[in-house]
Amino acid sequence: DTEVTQTPKHLVMGMTNKKSLKCEQHMGHRAMYWYKQKAKKPPELMFVYSYEKLSINESVPSRFSPECPNSSLLNLHLHALQPEDSALYLCASSQGTRGDGAGELFFGEGSRLTVL
Amino acid sequence: AQKVTQAQTEISVVEKEDVTLDCVYETRDTTYYLFWYKQPPSGELVFLIRRNSFDEQNEISGRYSWNFQKSTSSFNFTITASQVVDSAVYFCALMDTGRRALTFGSGTRLQVQP
Repeated sequence: DTEVTQTPKHLVMGMTNKKSLKCEQHMGHRAMYWYKQKAKKPPELMFVYSYEKLSINESVPSRFSPECPNSSLLNLHLHALQPEDSALYLCASSQGTRGDGAGELFFGEGSRLTVL
Repeated sequence: AQKVTQAQTEISVVEKEDVTLDCVYETRDTTYYLFWYKQPPSGELVFLIRRNSFDEQNEISGRYSWNFQKSTSSFNFTITASQVVDSAVYFCALMDTGRRALTFGSGTRLQVQP
């Protein structure tokens, strides 16, 4: 069982809806990530939070709004999405130490989003 | 810029065959990390191995083995005596110590037939 929990597993929304994806981890990790994965493609980085501060935004459109309320939670708020935003959204966490070394990312099972 | 290339889009083997998945990477960093992940149909990315740029020792874990060669910028993955449960998409990925984010290759879909 994954230690990164994502909800919901499936989401269908219209272009005018507002919805949120949620991610939770209890491994004490201090870095959390959102990745987007289209069918038959590799995951693409969207956002990175390090110690609850946004450290990387890969030029993601503003209709995607991340939020990190605390070190265990990561949200992705969705508003006015387009059909091409339909994808699997993966959350991940890592130790995120500030020193040398890079820990592996632990991924959740993803939230499969369909925009009508 | 970092880049990871997995030239094999799809590989099909029969159970018990050995199979090697290729990975070639590009980076200007002297310190970096290489990873392999497995993605079964359920969607979750499962961590398999991490290797840092200073450790060129090959590694074996059960039926899995990895061959890291800095001279050719390659980090290949071999499954010995493949099984149907090995069927999945396998991603090679690169991380630099600055961004601490993974850059993935395009993935190799492995199908193991019974």
